[in-house]
Amino acid sequence: AQSVTQPDIHITVSEGASLELRCNYSYGATPYLFWYVQSPGQGLQLLLKYFSGDTLVQGIKGFEAEFKRSQSSFNLRKPSVHWSDAAEYFCAVGARTGNQFYFGTGTSLTVIP
Amino acid sequence: DTEVTQTPKHLVMGMTNKKSLKCEQHMGHRAMYWYKQKAKKPPELMFVYSYEKLSINESVPSRFSPECPNSSLLNLHLHALQPEDSALYLCASSQVDMGIRAKNIQYFGAGTRLSVL
Repeated sequence: AQSVTQPDIHITVSEGASLELRCNYSYGATPYLFWYVQSPGQGLQLLLKYFSGDTLVQGIKGFEAEFKRSQSSFNLRKPSVHWSDAAEYFCAVGARTGNQFYFGTGTSLTVIP
Repeated sequence: DTEVTQTPKHLVMGMTNKKSLKCEQHMGHRAMYWYKQKAKKPPELMFVYSYEKLSINESVPSRFSPECPNSSLLNLHLHALQPEDSALYLCASSQVDMGIRAKNIQYFGAGTRLSVL
């Protein structure tokens, strides 16, 4: 069965520090992988996506993610966090056929000055 | 333009009311989705429309009635809701799956915050 695990429910980092949010997936084949960000009371905004090719993908707002097939992981990183990055982050897996999405449980990011 | 527009932004309704949520996109997407999201939880899929036909209904209670009148519009009709239905309702759209060449990025609206009293 397909599943997405985000092991960290909540992370707190200092502004300017580096960030890594973890995402592990279980899927029968290589899926499409996504990271979305959700600010309080808002919809989900796509940060980045992986379909194939280069396993290091760049996204908006200075985020990047690395696909590691051997670890079934797609971790999100940012070298220097800004206060405006405080939000909920969701990793998602999209099936290669069909329209189904599978979301992780989310990681809540707090940024302290 | 990757915008999905949802109205209203906020809705308060009583348990005997009938109301509708509206979603609109002009990206030419032929798949549209309704999700329900509780606080601090991931979105839960409710319905999927593909080419204006309902393709997935995730065992949603009949007090939620979706409608897709054309390729740009998606409605969610609400009737006799319960307080536990209070949540953020998100609409999304994507290209329709075309097999292994599909790249089904889902674009989300800002949501309707629904409170049922």
